[in-house]
Amino acid sequence: DQQVKQNSPSLSVQEGRISILNCDYTNSMFDYFLWYKKYPAEGPTFLISISSIKDKNEDGRFTVFLNKSAKHLSLHIVPSQPGDSAVYFCAASVGGAQKLVFGQGTRLTINP
Amino acid sequence: DAGITQSPRHKVTETGTPVTLRCHQTENHRYMYWYRQDPGHGLRLIHYSYGVKDTDKGEVSDGYSVSRSKTEDFLLTLESATSSQTSVYFCAIRFYRDTRYEQYFGPGTRLTVT
Repeated sequence: DQQVKQNSPSLSVQEGRISILNCDYTNSMFDYFLWYKKYPAEGPTFLISISSIKDKNEDGRFTVFLNKSAKHLSLHIVPSQPGDSAVYFCAASVGGAQKLVFGQGTRLTINP
Repeated sequence: DAGITQSPRHKVTETGTPVTLRCHQTENHRYMYWYRQDPGHGLRLIHYSYGVKDTDKGEVSDGYSVSRSKTEDFLLTLESATSSQTSVYFCAIRFYRDTRYEQYFGPGTRLTVT
């Protein structure tokens, strides 16, 4: 039973445009959500997080939106750059980045 | 930046042999985690620790044990490795920074069981 799902295995976006990555969850107890970026042969790198008391959080080019009623979150990257090409994982937890439950990941490719 | 090292970085072993992976941190964080990453599954939690000698199971703990005798070291042991344990293993620490919590991951250990 996958509690966190990323239904798009891959996404291709033109450089300079917006990239939107989506994530759905089923466990209503989750109250903290994170996005990670992963390059090959490296560990995941933290990008941005959001608590369930908020519906939006921004950090530079990255914005995370949380829709609690739909149990859905999304990561927006604007503008997309070639260095953004990586695998992106969403993760959820109960109580501030305690035991993380990850989605399967979405491979983002930014085309010049 | 939080300092995490994992050793070894790569290992090939035979079915039935014991294997121990080491995670070492330099900043005295209380919480440490072991995850495995497999295609189609993202990362899955194996075991975690919330202090010296305090550990608990994660989502996929069967076939694995852990130990934490010092704050800085968290060991993951495969008592008798199986081919299904071929994976990339990541250690992580949890900390609070800039008004947020996050987990910071090590570089990973690629384990192949033949």
